[in-house]
Amino acid sequence: GQNIDQPTEMTATEGAIVQINCTYQTSGFNGLFWYQQHAGEAPTFLSYNVLDGLEEKGRFSSFLSRSKGYSYLLLKELQMKDSASYLCAGEDNTDKLIFGTGTRLQVFP
Amino acid sequence: DAMVIQNPRYQVTQFGKPVTLSCSQTLNHNVMYWYQQKSSQAPKLLFHYYDKDFNNEADTPDNFQSRRPNTSFCFLDIRSPGLGDAAMYLCATSRDNRADTQYFGPGTRLTVL
Repeated sequence: GQNIDQPTEMTATEGAIVQINCTYQTSGFNGLFWYQQHAGEAPTFLSYNVLDGLEEKGRFSSFLSRSKGYSYLLLKELQMKDSASYLCAGEDNTDKLIFGTGTRLQVFP
Repeated sequence: DAMVIQNPRYQVTQFGKPVTLSCSQTLNHNVMYWYQQKSSQAPKLLFHYYDKDFNNEADTPDNFQSRRPNTSFCFLDIRSPGLGDAAMYLCATSRDNRADTQYFGPGTRLTVL
């Protein structure tokens, strides 16, 4: 079966660092996407990993281990506006995105 | 700015009354997708078009249909909405199928009375 697992909720403090983990099982694997979704809004693209390792993009970094079926999204210097849901999505061998239910991150002052 | 536009942003319909949601894109992307997302759940792919080729997900109810009259526009028709169809409907586009970022529209929130 196809499955994306990520924690349901996380909390953190403004200025801190938070890591959101994701494990995946897909039929074949073409890559791993992270999207940010604010309440009532559409998902917006954050990152894409296809090779093992860390991809850094400003305050956000994403890591992938294909052998472990594992990814994480790292958010540094947290800001209040980072409060949102973070969706992990694996692309399977039919080029379809399999989304997780999202991790709701709340950032407190 | 190139973008994905969905209209209306909020749609209220009555049980059993057909409704059409629209999506347009100025990105000139080949692929257009329709997702259904219920509260606190993952987006669920309903179907997608690669150019004019229509691809229906196996578990998409027959109640849901789609049309893509040209590259820019795609419509989602719900023939007889039920209470369980109340959700956010997201349109997305990508240049190609594989390993291409999907760009989402703002979504249409459908309420069924």
